[in-house]
Amino acid sequence: GDSVTQMEGPVTLSEEAFLTINCTYTATGYPSLFWYVQYPGEGLQLLLKATKADDKGSNKGFEATYRKETTSFHLEKGSVQVSDSAVYFCALSGALNAGKSTFGDGTTLTVKP
Amino acid sequence: DTEVTQTPKHLVMGMTNKKSLKCEQHMGHRAMYWYKQKAKKPPELMFVYSYEKLSINESVPSRFSPECPNSSLLNLHLHALQPEDSALYLCASSQLGLAGANSYNEQFFGPGTRLTVL
Repeated sequence: GDSVTQMEGPVTLSEEAFLTINCTYTATGYPSLFWYVQYPGEGLQLLLKATKADDKGSNKGFEATYRKETTSFHLEKGSVQVSDSAVYFCALSGALNAGKSTFGDGTTLTVKP
Repeated sequence: DTEVTQTPKHLVMGMTNKKSLKCEQHMGHRAMYWYKQKAKKPPELMFVYSYEKLSINESVPSRFSPECPNSSLLNLHLHALQPEDSALYLCASSQLGLAGANSYNEQFFGPGTRLTVL
């Protein structure tokens, strides 16, 4: 079945540091890929998405590129802020699994001033 | 309106109580979902409704009973819960794409109901 593997956390960075959170997947066919963010006490919010190979999703300074050859969708940000502290989930959705998304285990990011 | 709302925000119930969680969206989405999320874990899918019909039940115990009265509303009826059912319950909605399309299933989540079973 489909699966998503995320880099283990927690990750602690200083403000303005560079962020990478690795995400790799296995799936049948050509899934859509997503990064969701969950701030403390809240639900999940879609951060960015990519629906086909070589697509780059971007939002709020975050970027991720759909790499089919390496089955990866790594999340990057050039300069993190304290307000980026949250849990980040990589997820996929395949056309063959209508209604089901597969989530990674989540990576907790803490940014210190 | 790009919001999914959930009520109540917090709920404390005993093991003999009956309660309901409510979810509403006005984005015209025809797929709605219930997830259970334990602390520091990803959401676990419970149920999916497509066009107001139950399309996925992830072997959820019968003490959880979903209902979709119309395309905007989703309920989760709770009865005889156990303390281990304490969790954050998240509702989500999404568009349904054409057969074979990959660009659907971007899910919009509500803020969740924090449930405590005593």
